Amino acid sequence: EAGVVQSPRYKIIEKKQPVAFWCNPISGHNTLYWYRQNLGQGPELLIRYENEEAVDDSQLPKDRFSAERLKGVDSTLKIQPAELGDSAVYLCASSFRDYGTDTQYFGPGTRLTVL
Amino acid sequence: LAKTTQPISMDSYEGQEVNITCSHNNIATNDYITWYQQFPSQGPRFIIQGYKTKVTNEVASLFIPADRKSSTLSLPRVSLSDTAVYYCLVGENNAGNMLTFGGGTRLMVKP
Repeated sequence: EAGVVQSPRYKIIEKKQPVAFWCNPISGHNTLYWYRQNLGQGPELLIRYENEEAVDDSQLPKDRFSAERLKGVDSTLKIQPAELGDSAVYLCASSFRDYGTDTQYFGPGTRLTVL
Repeated sequence: LAKTTQPISMDSYEGQEVNITCSHNNIATNDYITWYQQFPSQGPRFIIQGYKTKVTNEVASLFIPADRKSSTLSLPRVSLSDTAVYYCLVGENNAGNMLTFGGGTRLMVKP
């Protein structure tokens, strides 16, 4: 079974430029997450989708960050314009949420460097 | 939202058993305890989850005392490849509360 796919793996941009990250979750998973992980810290949730609906985006800096999940499958996270402090690894995860467990499967992440 | 406290780092040697304890004093009745493992340049990977007593799988064991205010992840006979960061998460499965990662415990396994 294919895992969560993310692209690109690495991205280097100059500040004030836009950038976009793409995520393809595991087939059949209805829940998709975007996390940001700063160096030496644990992942921080940015937004969570249940199918195509964003149900938790309280940690998403909405002035510059946006996300979408078309047709409840793939998702894109965008930053415009990027700032120096946005340098981090952006992780996508997916799960199949039901009454029981909610095991999240993570992709390898996109490492963003803003110069 | 239950907060977790873990040691920042631990060292061990190959072949030893490693126990990583996580404190979660304000765990709620409906909260589960879940552990993830993260290698450099990879996303976290689910290891084990439990609610009470003991849970064991092919990778690890999870010990949870009766008061559930702490839990211990046990890795039997670690190898160099177990060097990673281990995260303890506490929360309700269906409420999104378990989506908060702390700083984790950096385990270094030495030869």
